[in-house]
Amino acid sequence: QSVLTQPPSVSAAPGQKVTISCSGSSSNIGNNYVSWFQQLPGTAPKLLIYENNERPSGIPDRFSGSKSGTSATLGITGLQTGDEADYYCGTWDSSLRGVLFGGGTRLTVL
Amino acid sequence: QLQLQESGPGLVKPSETLSLTCIVSGGSISSRSYYWGWIRQPPGKGLEWIGSISYDGNTYYNPSLKSRVTMSVDTPKNQFSLKLSSVTVADTALFYCARLERGAAPATIDYWGRGTLVTVSS
Repeated sequence: QSVLTQPPSVSAAPGQKVTISCSGSSSNIGNNYVSWFQQLPGTAPKLLIYENNERPSGIPDRFSGSKSGTSATLGITGLQTGDEADYYCGTWDSSLRGVLFGGGTRLTVL
Repeated sequence: QLQLQESGPGLVKPSETLSLTCIVSGGSISSRSYYWGWIRQPPGKGLEWIGSISYDGNTYYNPSLKSRVTMSVDTPKNQFSLKLSSVTVADTALFYCARLERGAAPATIDYWGRGTLVTVSS
């Protein structure tokens, strides 16, 4: 069981919006930056969001990140079938002195 | 464009040591701005950070694996390596090498290799 808690799955229709939550504690999310990764089937993870809400070059603004206290949220608007993937949050844990990942959330675009 | 490529045996026997190398191309491993790390993913499961190493050999290891993990860096060859000892079937996974930010946001992992599957079996 992961220290960072994500819902196992979320779903929404094409064109709609979805949010994915990531819950942690003061030793990780509460005091460190959060990243989000997208893993399409059969591929390596890809950085979607870093430093809570920043997008790397080439990531569309349909993807957004936010953080409040010990929780972070990934938002995806204008859902496309190509967004079907597993999404992971990640952060540093100051107590464990290591990188943590959430358990992952599978997004289904109905 | 930075590229990372994992290499190593795809099959390891239980109790033996798993050894992987990551060759970095399109950029220098000697940058002070980054760590270089290993992340694994058991079949059908989530991501697990194994450890990170800087160009000058500073390391961070996952506490749950620390007793079995050794990472090293070879700056002339622009590559870094992982050794995981005393493996069991539970260590069967897809192993990724990656580049991590060295600074305020160490979970910023912006480049990943394609991954290499390592199966532990007799």
